[in-house]
Amino acid sequence: SQTIHQWPATLVQPVGSPLSLECTVEGTSNPNLYWYRQAAGRGLQLLFYSVGIGQISSEVPQNLSASRPQDRQFILSSKKLLLSDSGFYLCAWSVDLPSYEQYFGPGTRLTVT
Amino acid sequence: GQSLEQPSEVTAVEGAIVQINCTYQTSGFYGLSWYQQHDGGAPTFLSYNALDGLEETGRFSSFLSRSDSYGYLLLQELQMKDSASYFCAVYSSASKIIFGSGTRLSIRP
Repeated sequence: SQTIHQWPATLVQPVGSPLSLECTVEGTSNPNLYWYRQAAGRGLQLLFYSVGIGQISSEVPQNLSASRPQDRQFILSSKKLLLSDSGFYLCAWSVDLPSYEQYFGPGTRLTVT
Repeated sequence: GQSLEQPSEVTAVEGAIVQINCTYQTSGFYGLSWYQQHDGGAPTFLSYNALDGLEETGRFSSFLSRSDSYGYLLLQELQMKDSASYFCAVYSSASKIIFGSGTRLSIRP
């Protein structure tokens, strides 16, 4: 069966510090991968998606970046965090496009202080 | 612009039926999905509609009217564990997805 892992589960970082969140998927090949951010009490905002190794599409211009160094690994990074980067970061995967059915990881709750 | 509208909160009684509506305005349309999210947890997929009509999955059903840019999620035989937030999500292209702000469903015994 397929599983998706994210770490860390929670993170507290000072403003201006770097960020690296990792997501890995097991049990499937060539998945579509997604990074979302969810502010408290709000919906999900799509940040990046990837249909293959090295292929990244950005949905919202900001100080975040994403990379996909391996087929089932997706990394979200920032060189300098802002207060507004606080939120719940979720990684998801799907098989097809359109990917009506996406499977989400447990998420990382990031607080920038 | 592109937008999705759904009620922010809905309250219902255990055992009853509740409907959560979603209206959308997007430049394109491929389909509409519904997700459930419990507090502190990750969203889980419930259903999707690409064509007009009703899709039924157990106690949950989802409806879509493309001509009205409208859909709804119907939950029957409500259980306390159904207390959660429910999000509609529209695919305006094969890769672009927009989520609504969510409807918080509270269930009373």
